[in-house]
Amino acid sequence: SQQGEEDPQALSIQEGENATMNCSYKTSINNLQWYRQNSGRGLVHLILIRSNEREKHSGRLRVTLDTSKKSSSLLITASRAADTASYFCATSLRAGANNLFFGTGTRLTVIP
Amino acid sequence: DVKVTQSSRYLVKRTGEKVFLECVQDMDHENMFWYRQDPGLGLRLIYFSYDVKMKEKGDIPEGYSVSREKKERFSLILESASTNQTSMYLCASSFKRGLAGEVDTQYFGPGTRLTVL
Repeated sequence: SQQGEEDPQALSIQEGENATMNCSYKTSINNLQWYRQNSGRGLVHLILIRSNEREKHSGRLRVTLDTSKKSSSLLITASRAADTASYFCATSLRAGANNLFFGTGTRLTVIP
Repeated sequence: DVKVTQSSRYLVKRTGEKVFLECVQDMDHENMFWYRQDPGLGLRLIYFSYDVKMKEKGDIPEGYSVSREKKERFSLILESASTNQTSMYLCASSFKRGLAGEVDTQYFGPGTRLTVL
């Protein structure tokens, strides 16, 4: 299965600290995306990084991609209690492939 | 803003009942998806549709069917609900044509938590 694996499964940090989540996948990809899910809600797209990119930033988010290791990391800097959520990586095998393959998620808790 | 709505947030049904989950999107997206989400298993694709009246099986289509009669609406049908179909069901949509990245981003509805007794 192409499904990604996030690591760790759960992460608990103090407000103001940085949070790092990792994602590994199995086959070559066109792009990798990160989504956030608040408890009991749908997923919200955060950021997309293409296979020819190594790093991307969006506000307090920093995503890296290492295609040789088939892994990605999501860094949230200066975390806030409102960042408490589950974070999922999703891979697309080719541009416009329609399907995304989702990982199992990291549950982040930011303690005020 | 893209809006994807699902007909119910919570649903309780009995074993053997026929269940309809409805999803509507207002962004003229060609692609629509149904996932189920279970603890420890992440999101698993049940079915997707890339055009009206078109459908493709995902990873776990057994026990489910879908209907896409209009572009904005994608229905998931449980012909005879079973307790192992108790789950969170998520609908999503995306563009089929456009810039790479734009077509790959999926927009999700709020989810329907289905309990089958």
